Amino acid sequence: DAGVIQSPRHEVTEMGQEVTLRCKPISGHNSLFWYRQTMMRGLELLIYFNNNVPIDDSGMPEDRFSAKMPNASFSTLKIQPSEPRDSAVYFCASSLIRLETQYFGPGTRLLVL
Amino acid sequence: AQSVAQPEDQVNVAEGNPLTVKCTYSVSGNPYLFWYVQYPNRGLQFLLKYITGDNLVKGSYGFEAEFNKSQTSFHLKKPSALVSDSALYFCAVRENSNSGYALNFGKGTSLLVTP
Repeated sequence: DAGVIQSPRHEVTEMGQEVTLRCKPISGHNSLFWYRQTMMRGLELLIYFNNNVPIDDSGMPEDRFSAKMPNASFSTLKIQPSEPRDSAVYFCASSLIRLETQYFGPGTRLLVL
Repeated sequence: AQSVAQPEDQVNVAEGNPLTVKCTYSVSGNPYLFWYVQYPNRGLQFLLKYITGDNLVKGSYGFEAEFNKSQTSFHLKKPSALVSDSALYFCAVRENSNSGYALNFGKGTSLLVTP
């Protein structure tokens, strides 16, 4: 059974470029979460979706960040334009609503030069 | 607002000795509590959770955690540590309500088990 799939696993880009991170949740899961992990701030929730609908995006740092979930099997997190302070590991996680346990993907390590 | 605190940045223990990683929580209602482990360059892996019922919860890899409502704690324990247990451990909490399903994670505790 495939777990949460994220792509790319590593991304190096230059400041000002657009970055798109992708996530495929576990089949049948109807909640999806995007997190960011840095040494300074730890693990931060950016946004989460229930049944493809964004529920809470209060963790999105600023307007440069946007997330979509066009269907139950795919989500994107986009940063435009990217800045060096966006360098972090971005995790996607999914769960069944009301069963609480979130399953994490391997993460995308983003470096913005 | 719901939150967890992990008071120790790092815990060191010798292989074979018992280990404890501490976590305290703050919620307005009944909590759902979780422990996750993160190995280097990997995503977080679920270890165990407390929803209701027995205060002692058993999870993966021989880990267990004890829910203590009076002390608002949910410490992670293992009777005999292994070198392979060395990793970053996260405690997380969600309120037992319909207001949302996101978890609040602690800042993590690095566990180092020495041979």
